[in-house]
Amino acid sequence: DVKVTQSSRYLVKRTGEKVFLECVQDMDHENMFWYRQDPGLGLRLIYFSYDVKMKEKGDIPEGYSVSREKKERFSLILESASTNQTSMYLCASSYTQGGRETQYFGPGTRLLVL
Amino acid sequence: SQQGEEDPQALSIQEGENATMNCSYKTSINNLQWYRQNSGRGLVHLILIRSNEREKHSGRLRVTLDTSKKSSSLLITASRAADTASYFCATPDNTDKLIFGTGTRLQVFP
Repeated sequence: DVKVTQSSRYLVKRTGEKVFLECVQDMDHENMFWYRQDPGLGLRLIYFSYDVKMKEKGDIPEGYSVSREKKERFSLILESASTNQTSMYLCASSYTQGGRETQYFGPGTRLLVL
Repeated sequence: SQQGEEDPQALSIQEGENATMNCSYKTSINNLQWYRQNSGRGLVHLILIRSNEREKHSGRLRVTLDTSKKSSSLLITASRAADTASYFCATPDNTDKLIFGTGTRLQVFP
């Protein structure tokens, strides 16, 4: 079974802090994704990566950056956290690109920025 | 850009009843996927149906796809309290990114 893990289930940070969200997958997937989920807005794609050291902006990249130094690990970075980044963050991975096949999700990180 | 829209937004039924959720989308697709999300958790993939398929089954799940109407339905038969969750359809957009709808919240009462 594919396993996608996220470093924290819950995080509380203060405005202006630098925040790292880590995601690790164990199935040698090429592709990894970061989404945020907010009530009434569904899932929105922040960044994705189709290969090591490669990154592409999704629909809402502002205020975020990512790092993919190893194939199995995809990190989401909030350079200076703001209250409007309070959200549920979901990481996913897939074997093939984009929407062609199943995406496997981690359990999510609920981030509260005070 | 939102590709899939689920209907209804919320659904409440008794255990043993069937639950039907619908999804409409806007552009041509090569597949449509359904996911489930239990409260506060990540999404779990349920089923993928390709554009050349009309119906697909997985256990108590039945998915149909009508590409002429740009719509899909998810039927859960003989529902259980454990089926209580949000259900999302997802379709690839023209750049192959997966776009999720806002989901149907299903509540199954014992």
